[in-house]
Amino acid sequence: GAGVSQSPRYKVTKRGQDVALRCDPISGHVSLYWYRQALGQGPEFLTYFNYEAQQDKSGLPNDRFSAERPEGSISTLTIQRTEQRDSAMYRCASSEDQWTSGGRETQYFGPGTRLLVL
Amino acid sequence: AQKVTQAQTEISVVEKEDVTLDCVYETRDTTYYLFWYKQPPSGELVFLIRRNSFDEQNEISGRYSWNFQKSTSSFNFTITASQVVDSAVYFCALSEDPGGGADGLTFGKGTHLIIQP
Repeated sequence: GAGVSQSPRYKVTKRGQDVALRCDPISGHVSLYWYRQALGQGPEFLTYFNYEAQQDKSGLPNDRFSAERPEGSISTLTIQRTEQRDSAMYRCASSEDQWTSGGRETQYFGPGTRLLVL
Repeated sequence: AQKVTQAQTEISVVEKEDVTLDCVYETRDTTYYLFWYKQPPSGELVFLIRRNSFDEQNEISGRYSWNFQKSTSSFNFTITASQVVDSAVYFCALSEDPGGGADGLTFGKGTHLIIQP
């Protein structure tokens, strides 16, 4: 079946602009995660949704970052007033619930959106 | 707090050699979950293995095997008879929640594996 998809794959923007990154999880996956990966580093957790509820926002770097998943499927990560330090790969992952996975939930990642802020 | 350390930044071997990638983790929980992911040059992040801390046996999948040692807090990954297609960055990750949960996965910095023909 189809995996996690993200759009756009690449985004170049000017400092101060807002950007919206989209994630379409695997069909039926109830959990959705956002990560940020700097060059040469591992992914860093940003936030997590269970269905439409955002469970934890403490990983978001500051209040310019926000995320939503209004219908429990597609999610959008928005960065307002972008800064050059926001340049990174933004990855989305989804997983099944514990009942469907038999207690072996696994996060499957999308291809990522590479953001470059000039 | 959780932490994953992959001390090997880069490893280069010749094709057909065996190679082991090290992963050391820190957690205060007695139940936890460990993962390995592969990031090939194309950039995607590919799931390889999940290991529950309470599982008994080590995993083997073809040329890949994983050695979990609770006593040393390590979860090492061995590729036998390496191939050029194994060249990638490999990440070890840890979670104290079965699926990642509110804290997500904690990743190491990755090991860049280069297989020379």
